[in-house]
Amino acid sequence: GENVEQHPSTLSVQEGDSAVIKCTYSDSASNYFPWYKQELGKGPQLIIDIRSNVGEKKDQRIAVTLNKTAKHFSLHITETQPEDSAVYFCAASLVLGGADGLTFGKGTHLIIQP
Amino acid sequence: GAVVSQHPSRVICKSGTSVKIECRSLDFQATTMFWYRQFPKQSLMLMATSNEGSKATYEQGVEKDKFLINHASLTLSTLTVTSAHPEDSSFYICSARDSAFLHFGNGTRLTVT
Repeated sequence: GENVEQHPSTLSVQEGDSAVIKCTYSDSASNYFPWYKQELGKGPQLIIDIRSNVGEKKDQRIAVTLNKTAKHFSLHITETQPEDSAVYFCAASLVLGGADGLTFGKGTHLIIQP
Repeated sequence: GAVVSQHPSRVICKSGTSVKIECRSLDFQATTMFWYRQFPKQSLMLMATSNEGSKATYEQGVEKDKFLINHASLTLSTLTVTSAHPEDSSFYICSARDSAFLHFGNGTRLTVT
């Protein structure tokens, strides 16, 4: 089955700096890669996603890049703000949007230092 | 946007009792809902897929008689933890598929004393 590795497990950055979280996946057939943000005591929220036919996608301060050859994808957050502090999960799926086949990384605790 | 409501957000129960958790899609119909379990500082683990009008599909290692899932309508799925024990204490999260995308509930913190 699919295996998703996520690094780092904890990331501390100064407010205003950029943060990068990286994930690798094992199944070359995976074609959908969402990122979720989970705040303390809440469920994950989809913040951005990318399909395998696209190399990069950007939404304001958030961007995701995908390297299909190397089977890795990354989340980039620029100009970080205190409200960006949360746990971020990457995931990979064989089916667009489907939970069946959706494999999560272990998560990255992002801490924004004021 | 699509909203998934999960209730209760927190529940404390005594060992041996049963607890029901509700997951509702508020502004869309969901033929498929999913239940996850999350331990502290760990990722989400899919427990089961809930299909409206049919039996749930459980992941390997998940006891179907202990975690009863009912998906009686297109907007409601319930997870009942039967004969709860302290080791069942966890954060339970549901999600529902709205066309192509998953939306998550805010989770239920279950504490079994």
